Amino acid sequence: QKEVEQDPGPLSVPEGAIVSLNCTYSNSAFQYFMWYRQYSRKGPELLMYTYSSGNKEDGRFTAQVDKSSKYISLFIRDSQPSDSATYLCALLSGYSTLTFGKGTMLLVSP
Amino acid sequence: SAVISQKPSRDICQRGTSLTIQCQVDSQVTMMFWYRQQPGQSLTLIATANQGSEATYESGFVIDKFPISRPNLTFSTLTVSNMSPEDSSIYLCSASPTAIFSYEQYFGPGTRLTVT
Repeated sequence: QKEVEQDPGPLSVPEGAIVSLNCTYSNSAFQYFMWYRQYSRKGPELLMYTYSSGNKEDGRFTAQVDKSSKYISLFIRDSQPSDSATYLCALLSGYSTLTFGKGTMLLVSP
Repeated sequence: SAVISQKPSRDICQRGTSLTIQCQVDSQVTMMFWYRQQPGQSLTLIATANQGSEATYESGFVIDKFPISRPNLTFSTLTVSNMSPEDSSIYLCSASPTAIFSYEQYFGPGTRLTVT
């Protein structure tokens, strides 16, 4: 079993839809949970991070962590075509080493 | 945040040759990292570039194949040596301003390498 599982998609939604992106993980030592967004031919950019179970909201984005189920989610409300990108979950268990999911490609059509 | 640039942005190289990728950060950072991103695969950490000492390599990556330099707090290079087509990938540099927790990492745009 891989440490982090993420459906590669693509996930296609119409503009305005609520998007749910998910990752599961197997190592209970992970302490920090991040979501990165990567546009085509660009480097990943940090969207959100959290370290506790529950929800963290930032504008249209909500990160959710359920440590008991080893499940993390990113919700995007009122999705826009500019949200079309690959979304990577990343988990941290110690100093300096991030473990990434493979990324989910999201396509938001106008 | 930190702004990171990489050179070259892309290159096509012959097998058996070497390529050095440069990474420049617009501010002093504590940690710098090199990743590889292959199609359909996760971002994979190659090594942590340590200022003033040898890089720390992850399992499966060795210094002879991927020598790294970090002469100061804003610059690092990664060399891909004796290249083969399997080295075709995107190579990404990242930096973190903190030494303790590196959830806050900033990435460069990547170098797209094709080996023929």
